[in-house]
Amino acid sequence: GQQVQQSPASLVLQEGENAELQCNFSSTATQLQWFYQSPGGSLVSLLSNPSGTKHTGRLTSTTVTKERRSSLHISSSQTTDSGTYLCAIFNMGYKLTFGTGTSLLVDP
Amino acid sequence: ETAVFQTPNYHVTQVGNEVSFNCKQTLGHDTMYWYKQDSKKLLKIMFSYNNKQLIVNETVPRRFSPQSSDKAHLNLRIKSVEPEDSAVYLCASSLDRGLEQYFGPGTRLTVL
Repeated sequence: GQQVQQSPASLVLQEGENAELQCNFSSTATQLQWFYQSPGGSLVSLLSNPSGTKHTGRLTSTTVTKERRSSLHISSSQTTDSGTYLCAIFNMGYKLTFGTGTSLLVDP
Repeated sequence: ETAVFQTPNYHVTQVGNEVSFNCKQTLGHDTMYWYKQDSKKLLKIMFSYNNKQLIVNETVPRRFSPQSSDKAHLNLRIKSVEPEDSAVYLCASSLDRGLEQYFGPGTRLTVL
């Protein structure tokens, strides 16, 4: 079945630094979504990006479908960005397969 | 307010009891999902309904059963809970299958 690997597993930054998160997947994805999960647990959709580059606020996602990889760039990190970032892939159109997540800690 | 709502937020119960979790979305979406997030934070799909029809039924124990009265509601019943059922159960919805999903806040189940 579909496998989704994320790296790094964890990341510690100083406030103001940039973060680059990676997502690699094992088979063709018809849709790709990046999520943020707060320490309290709620899951928020950040970006839906099956191919190309998309921006929203301080976030930029680049997905290279042929190479089965996606990245999430967070610029000028803030302490409130701390949490877990999850990449999720659709294949077969019905099932969202989640990666293992990157735990981000931004220190003041 | 349009969103995905789940009740209860938390539930503590004992092995062998029955529990039910509710999910309602006011986004006008056609597809709803139940996911389980275990202690290692890995999220796995359990069920998916599209217009009240079951379209995804992953390999989950028979004691789990989804129930959909209309396309805005998808409940989850667990008969005779086991310790390994302790997890966070997340409900989600999307406009249609394969499209961007929106999640509820989750229900944390603890089985003693």
